[in-house]
Amino acid sequence: DVQMTQSPSSLSASVGDRVTITCRASLGINNYLAWYQQKPANAPKLLISAASTLQSGVPSRFSGSGSGTDFTLTISSLQPEDVATYYCQKYDSVPRTFGPGTKVDI
Amino acid sequence: QLQLQESGPGLVRPSETLSLTCTVSGGSITGTTYYWGWIRQPPGKGLEWIGAVHYSGSTQYNPALKSRIIILVDRSKNQFSLKLSSVTAADTAVYFCGRENVAGIDYWGQGALVAVSS
Repeated sequence: DVQMTQSPSSLSASVGDRVTITCRASLGINNYLAWYQQKPANAPKLLISAASTLQSGVPSRFSGSGSGTDFTLTISSLQPEDVATYYCQKYDSVPRTFGPGTKVDI
Repeated sequence: QLQLQESGPGLVRPSETLSLTCTVSGGSITGTTYYWGWIRQPPGKGLEWIGAVHYSGSTQYNPALKSRIIILVDRSKNQFSLKLSSVTAADTAVYFCGRENVAGIDYWGQGALVAVSS
């Protein structure tokens, strides 16, 4: 199975900072990668699909890039409401594995 | 607005079978481009994709769990279900149901905590 890793596992930044989270697949997955935001006691929320397509209603400060094995999620200007854990997920094939998550604090 | 709601027992005894149902409202489960999936999250840990079912009955399972899971769809009730057999404490988790499309999981249930304990 393709393994998914994320770095860092956690980070703390200030309001207004640019934040970058990396997701790596052990084998190429083209651009079949999604990013989710999960706030405590809530279900995950789909932010980005196909590595870089922002979902409707998601603030434009979120962006995604990458293809193949290396992907990034960027928050251009961190806001208090962005405190959450962020997960990547491959969906090119079964199993549709999630990364271990990156916890973002302020 | 599509909504998904998990239901089922919150406590299951070790070695028994965990059974959950996801009821879909605000839309039909028969969309051809969708799979309907189950994802779980042990307390304080990350997300694990369990498997998914198409309205036709076609299934996709996580190989790590395949020997213990059955996912079924009931089109008449707009529901799909999960059965996980031979449970242990390691199966204690919040279980989410969700709608999977070509872009990922775009709708999620609120989650149901299932504890495995005697």
